[in-house]
Amino acid sequence: DVKLVESGGGMVQPGGSLRLSCAASGFTFSSYSMNWVRQAPGKGLEWVSYISSGGDARYYADFVKGRFTISRDSAKNSLYLQMNSLGDEDTALYYCARSRVGGPTEFDSWGQGTLVTVSS
Amino acid sequence: DIQLTQSPSSVSASVGDRVTITCRASQGISNWLAWYQQKPGKAPKFLIYGASSLQNGVPSRFSGSGSGTDFTLTISSLQPEDSATYYCQQANSFPLTFGGGTKVEVK
Repeated sequence: DVKLVESGGGMVQPGGSLRLSCAASGFTFSSYSMNWVRQAPGKGLEWVSYISSGGDARYYADFVKGRFTISRDSAKNSLYLQMNSLGDEDTALYYCARSRVGGPTEFDSWGQGTLVTVSS
Repeated sequence: DIQLTQSPSSVSASVGDRVTITCRASQGISNWLAWYQQKPGKAPKFLIYGASSLQNGVPSRFSGSGSGTDFTLTISSLQPEDSATYYCQQANSFPLTFGGGTKVEVK
């Protein structure tokens, strides 16, 4: 079975940084594109970033461009999100989600999420 | 960016009722539309892709239709376990976007 387990969330002060991780198992990680999707408390879903299976293509939502960096390590079956210059608006549950196919696509598997709280 | 507008924002229906949720895209997206179900405290569950293709294991009472800018998710016979929030998502182009969600309550 596909399993995605996020970690690295926590409380951080405005302007701070965090690095999220997603450990993947149950499938050939190197063959799939991956994403981060977030959900602010009581709000809807918001796509954050995409990385292709080989890591050569990356896309970001405008609201994180220049602040967040997505990366992957296929040797460790892991996906990462480096988040810098965090603001209150970044408070959310961050999900790791697998792309169904390459390129812009749907998310066919999701982790349980890791909570990021930005507060002074 | 492609905006997705879902309606209604919430619906309350009885067991056995037919429920229809609509999703309108701000520009044509062919059939690049997906639907998800999210229950409180849980991750979203992938239901439908390509506007009408049911993901493996999803009950056949769920169906999707549409193309271009107008799409629908239909639950043919509502069950108690269908109480959830449903989201549409366009897979046509980056940035990927979601609709605002429709909360379905089972009376």
